[in-house]
Amino acid sequence: QSALTQPRSVSGSPGQSVTISCTGTSSDVGGYNSVSWYQQHPGKAPKSIIYHVSKRPSGVPDRFSGSKSGNTASLTISGLQAEDEADYYCCSYGGSYIYVFGTGTMVTVL
Amino acid sequence: EVQLVESGGGLVQPGRSLRLSCAASGFTFDDYAMHWVRQAPGKGLEWVSGVSWNSGRTGYADSVKGRFTISRDNAKNSLFLQMNSLRPEDTAFYYCAKDTERNMVYGMDVWGQGTTVTVSS
Repeated sequence: QSALTQPRSVSGSPGQSVTISCTGTSSDVGGYNSVSWYQQHPGKAPKSIIYHVSKRPSGVPDRFSGSKSGNTASLTISGLQAEDEADYYCCSYGGSYIYVFGTGTMVTVL
Repeated sequence: EVQLVESGGGLVQPGRSLRLSCAASGFTFDDYAMHWVRQAPGKGLEWVSGVSWNSGRTGYADSVKGRFTISRDNAKNSLFLQMNSLRPEDTAFYYCAKDTERNMVYGMDVWGQGTTVTVSS
C-alpha cells in the first residue's frame, strides 16, 4: 500500500490552468476507474471535488476536471481563482477493499 | 442537509483502546459504503478503513490491520471505529466519510469535521 505520487507543489496566476498529476501502478490507478480528488484548505476538513475519475459532486464548479491515462491520473483546474489555493489529494481504489491516497499537492495562486 | 458528525476522540495512553463514532443524517445511510480517513499533524491524508453498505465487505490499511475494527449500525445511522492497542503513531485527526456507492468503488463525496485522537503517556 504505497502512497500515490503527486508533485509537492504547483502554482499559477489567476485565470490560468494548472494540472496536478497522480501516479500509481497497475494495481491501483491503472487497474480501476476509481480515482477521486479532494481539496483541503488549512484547518478544514477535506472536500470532494472529483470521483469516479471525472465526475463532479453537486456544487463543484466545472473548472475542476479529472482524467486518467494508464497509471497516471490528473486534476486540472481551469480559470484558477484565489480560493483554489489549497492542498489537493488524489485517491484510488487498490483492490481487496483497500484505498490509497496520494502524497498531496499544494496549489499556490500567484 | 447531508451531515456526518464524529465523536469519541481524546487523549489515550499507548496500548489502550478508544471507540470512535460517526452519526450520519440527511441521506439514506444504508445505501452507501462508509470510510474512516486520518491525518496526522502536519501530514497528508491516510485511508484507514472502509465498510460496504451491508457490512459484507470491510478493508483496512496495513498500518491498522489487526488492531482496528470498523462497524456500522444501519438502524441507528451510525459508523464506528474500534481502535485497540493504540500507538503514538495513531495520533491524528480522524474523519468519517461517505462513499458514492453501496460498495467501496468510486471514492468519497461527503466528509465530517473530524475528531482528534492523541496517543501519549
